[in-house]
Amino acid sequence: KNEVEQSPQNLTAQEGEFITINCSYSVGISALHWLQQHPGGGIVSLFMLSSGKKKHGRLIATINIQEKHSSLHITASHPRDSAVYICAVRSNFGNEKLTFGTGTRLTIIP
Amino acid sequence: NAGVTQTPKFRVLKTGQSMTLLCAQDMNHEYMYWYRQDPGMGLRLIHYSVGEGTTAKGEVPDGYNVSRLKKQNFLLGLESAAPSQTSVYFCASSYTGPPGRHNSPLHFGNGTRLTVT
Repeated sequence: KNEVEQSPQNLTAQEGEFITINCSYSVGISALHWLQQHPGGGIVSLFMLSSGKKKHGRLIATINIQEKHSSLHITASHPRDSAVYICAVRSNFGNEKLTFGTGTRLTIIP
Repeated sequence: NAGVTQTPKFRVLKTGQSMTLLCAQDMNHEYMYWYRQDPGMGLRLIHYSVGEGTTAKGEVPDGYNVSRLKKQNFLLGLESAAPSQTSVYFCASSYTGPPGRHNSPLHFGNGTRLTVT
């Protein structure tokens, strides 16, 4: 079993829909990262969180440490949100290793 | 402010050839990383550096070497390329957090697509 599991693997939605992408992990962590990878390949850091909730524009990230689960929400989705969304966790053993999920490919149809 | 710059963007090598990928960051970050990304797998750490003159092995270091002679540059070398090293390579950097708590956003380069035939 992978340490970081994302669901769904692929998601297609209509413009304007509310999107939820899930990330579950199996180890104790000090932080969880959400990243966005556009079709051109570049990777951008969206959020880093260790508790609670963070919001940036139409994006919201939440984490439940007890349940080892995080969600990324997109409100009023737009075709430009089409990308691969990647969850990564840093374990709380103090090393520098981030473990990455395999990503969720999101396609927003106009 | 360029952020993290990787060169080259694309490269095709024959088996046994060598090459060096260059990563440069202008944000004065202490930490730098090299990852590879393969279909169906998450990013995997090859080597990393926690400061100028230091390097350490990641999950998949075999077949690669690195050097961090200057704080702003992190070089990834392939001494004898193999088809299994066909991948997309990403460099990333981050600043240090409080001692003992390195939790900082990662800044990625745009990737290098390497094909070994």
